[in-house]
Amino acid sequence: NAGVMQNPRHLVRRRGQEARLRCSPMKGHSHVYWYRQLPEEGLKFMVYLQKENIIDESGMPKERFSAEFPKEGPSILRIQQVVRGDSAAYFCASSPGRGRQETQYFGPGTRLLVL
Amino acid sequence: AQSVTQLDSQVPVFEEAPVELRCNYSSSVSVYLFWYVQYPNQGLQLLLKYLSGSTLVKGINGFEAEFNKSQTSFHLRKPSVHISDTAEYFCAVSEGGSNYKLTFGKGTLLTVNP
Repeated sequence: NAGVMQNPRHLVRRRGQEARLRCSPMKGHSHVYWYRQLPEEGLKFMVYLQKENIIDESGMPKERFSAEFPKEGPSILRIQQVVRGDSAAYFCASSPGRGRQETQYFGPGTRLLVL
Repeated sequence: AQSVTQLDSQVPVFEEAPVELRCNYSSSVSVYLFWYVQYPNQGLQLLLKYLSGSTLVKGINGFEAEFNKSQTSFHLRKPSVHISDTAEYFCAVSEGGSNYKLTFGKGTLLTVNP
């Protein structure tokens, strides 16, 4: 049973470009979470999605960031017009549900570097 | 707002020695507590979690942690470490109302030397 897949693992962008990060949850999981880890910081919650629905985006920056989890295909975290401060590791996690017994399973992360 | 403090950014130990990784949290409501481990180039893997009940929680790979509500701590321990335990360890907390929203500490790098 494959774990949570993220691609690309490393992404380099120049300021002003767009970054697209993909996350394929574990088989049977319909809940996806995105976290960001800035240098020297712990992971910070960004957004929680179910298929075709954004449940909680309270951790998302108000501008340039968006996320989706379509009916088919992976979840996408999109960052428009990247700036150097967006350089970070972005982790995706998935779970089968959202009850308190549900464990979040994490992917290996995407390391984004903005030049 | 909740927060998590991992007091040690790096902990070097010798093989077969005991280890304790410290974690303190702040929250105004009831919390759930977690320890995750990250091996190089891999995702975070759950070691153990405290939801309720016994304050001593046993996890995988011989790790255990004790929830101390009065000291708002959730320290991770292992009586005898192996080289293969070398990894980054993250403490995390979620609040009852938003149990899916994990708040992480900055991590502790455990290095086990022969």
